[in-house]
Amino acid sequence: ETGVTQTPRHLVMGMTNKKSLKCEQHLGHNAMYWYKQSAKKPLELMFVYSLEERVENNSVPSRFSPECPNSSHLFLHLHTLQPEDSALYLCASSLGGSGREQYFGPGTRLTVT
Amino acid sequence: EDQVTQSPEALRLQEGESSSLNCSYTVSGLRGLFWYRQDPGKGPEFLFTLYSAGEEKEKERLKATLTKKESFLHITAPKPEDSATYLCVRGSYIPTFGRGTSLIVHP
Repeated sequence: ETGVTQTPRHLVMGMTNKKSLKCEQHLGHNAMYWYKQSAKKPLELMFVYSLEERVENNSVPSRFSPECPNSSHLFLHLHTLQPEDSALYLCASSLGGSGREQYFGPGTRLTVT
Repeated sequence: EDQVTQSPEALRLQEGESSSLNCSYTVSGLRGLFWYRQDPGKGPEFLFTLYSAGEEKEKERLKATLTKKESFLHITAPKPEDSATYLCVRGSYIPTFGRGTSLIVHP
């Protein structure tokens, strides 16, 4: 497998469920990102893990919790989500921090019912 | 205040009809200006990085240029397969994406 992969590709969950999104990069990069893409809105950065440092967008609700066990794997843990959290969640990686080009996965389409 | 503003929001071209997409950005703390292409249902695909005013980069029918406050993505003689949303990204401690320009090229 090459590039950046994400699983699952589609997820439907109720507001009381707990689920996790997984991302894996096979590019030898050392920074990984989670983005949210909602209809008619620009991509919104949620979290960055770079050189073992975590940066988060302060507007992200605590019901989203990231985990980065190593430089190749990234998770987004979801719990008690709201319908407005329905969106495409994209993972990306880069060699170096936010001043470098990013390579994106195909995304997970999340629907909260 | 938006840090990245793209125009037009949507653009329809005939095959072979050249045009330009615009991206204006705030300069403070800039760590590069990036262009990506996004097809429906897919993640963005990296196209170009520009770091200094006057810099230009080309790839097939696309050329990206950078001034002190704007970047342009020029599309020369586009083909239907160039249809996509083109995203401008301000590189910074927290990267900022524009809303994109949706390009449709009719055969």
